[in-house]
Amino acid sequence: GNSVTQMEGPVTLSEEAFLTINCTYTATGYPSLFWYVQYPGEGLQLLLKATKADDKGSNKGFEATYRKETTSFHLEKGSVQVSDSAVYFCAFRMDSSYKLIFGSGTRLLVRP
Amino acid sequence: EAGVTQFPSHSVIEKGQTVTLRCDPISGHDNLYWYRRVMGKEIKFLLHFVKESKQDESGMPNNRFLAERTGGTYSTLKVQPAELEDSGVYFCASSQAGGVNTEAFFGQGTRLTVV
Repeated sequence: GNSVTQMEGPVTLSEEAFLTINCTYTATGYPSLFWYVQYPGEGLQLLLKATKADDKGSNKGFEATYRKETTSFHLEKGSVQVSDSAVYFCAFRMDSSYKLIFGSGTRLLVRP
Repeated sequence: EAGVTQFPSHSVIEKGQTVTLRCDPISGHDNLYWYRRVMGKEIKFLLHFVKESKQDESGMPNNRFLAERTGGTYSTLKVQPAELEDSGVYFCASSQAGGVNTEAFFGQGTRLTVV
């Protein structure tokens, strides 16, 4: 069935380090892909998205590229900040559906 | 403009009791969704309202869960009777009418603990 697999956390990095959070999906068809972020004490926020193969979503220095051949949507940032500490969720949605399919989330902790 | 708001933010109840969670969507949003994250696992879809009608309730775990959206504004999710495995964070989201590509905005969630 449809599912998302993302790397388990927590991921602990020093400030200015490079970040990669892996995400792969299993879906019938070609979904739209998303990364959501939940900062401490806040709700889920859409971070970035990509709707077709080879699209790159980007926001706040984060990027992810829709790779159809590997069914992946890995999240990257070149230089993390303490303020990036949060839980990151990879998700997808099929074109015909409102329903989002989420991964289990990856907690990122950035230390000064 | 106010975002999606959920009440309460935390709830601790005993097994067998009843709890009602409330969600106020962004004003004017026809679509309202409930999701749940149990024990640090993936966030799972529960159901989708379009105005006051249930469009998709395929994710509702069992008949102890009842969702309503009278008048097409706020929504409630009642768990009766609550079981230990119902513990988790319940998220509500809303989106405008206009198809699946309209962005869903999420609330902060209600953390439910059943003891």
